[in-house]
Amino acid sequence: QKEVEQNSGPLSVPEGAIASLNCTYSDRGSQSFFWYRQYSGKSPELIMFIYSNGDKEDGRFTAQLNKASQYVSLLIRDSQPSDSATYLCAVRANQGAQKLVFGQGTRLTINP
Amino acid sequence: EADIYQTPRYLVIGTGKKITLECSQTMGHDKMYWYQQDPGMELHLIHYSYGVNSTEKGDLSSESTVSRIRTEHFPLTLESARPSHTSQYLCASSTRGQLETQYFGPGTRLLVL
Repeated sequence: QKEVEQNSGPLSVPEGAIASLNCTYSDRGSQSFFWYRQYSGKSPELIMFIYSNGDKEDGRFTAQLNKASQYVSLLIRDSQPSDSATYLCAVRANQGAQKLVFGQGTRLTINP
Repeated sequence: EADIYQTPRYLVIGTGKKITLECSQTMGHDKMYWYQQDPGMELHLIHYSYGVNSTEKGDLSSESTVSRIRTEHFPLTLESARPSHTSQYLCASSTRGQLETQYFGPGTRLLVL
């Protein structure tokens, strides 16, 4: 089982709809959760991070964390074609080397 | 916005050559990382450093080596490049602590002929 799992997609969403990206993790001791966006040929850029159970909103983006279910998600409201990218979920454990562990990414396409 | 730089951005080189990929950051971050990523594929951690004179191998076996003599500088060296080293190499840095976030440089695209 991978430490951080994402559906690789591609996920196709019509413009203006809500895109929902999901991520599960195996280490129950994980404390910090991050979402990165990576455009084709570019480096990942940080979108949001979340530490506490519940929702965290930033503009059109909402991160949701459920530690009991070991599940973190990213919602993108009013999806735009410019949101088309690969979205990487990353998780940091509270123990050990505390490296950031990345999922394989979900490729999202917003259709005009 | 993170201030982390990588040079060169693109490199085409012949088999057997020694290459050094440069990475520097001006944020005073203690932690620095090197990732390897093939197009459309996962990020793989190949080296990391938690401070000066501290380096560790990552999760993916790599023939490269790194050094950390100064906080701001974390170069990656391939002694003898091979076509299998063709990939994108991404450098990242972060602060210490639970609230640390990791920022990436623009990457170096390497093609070994």
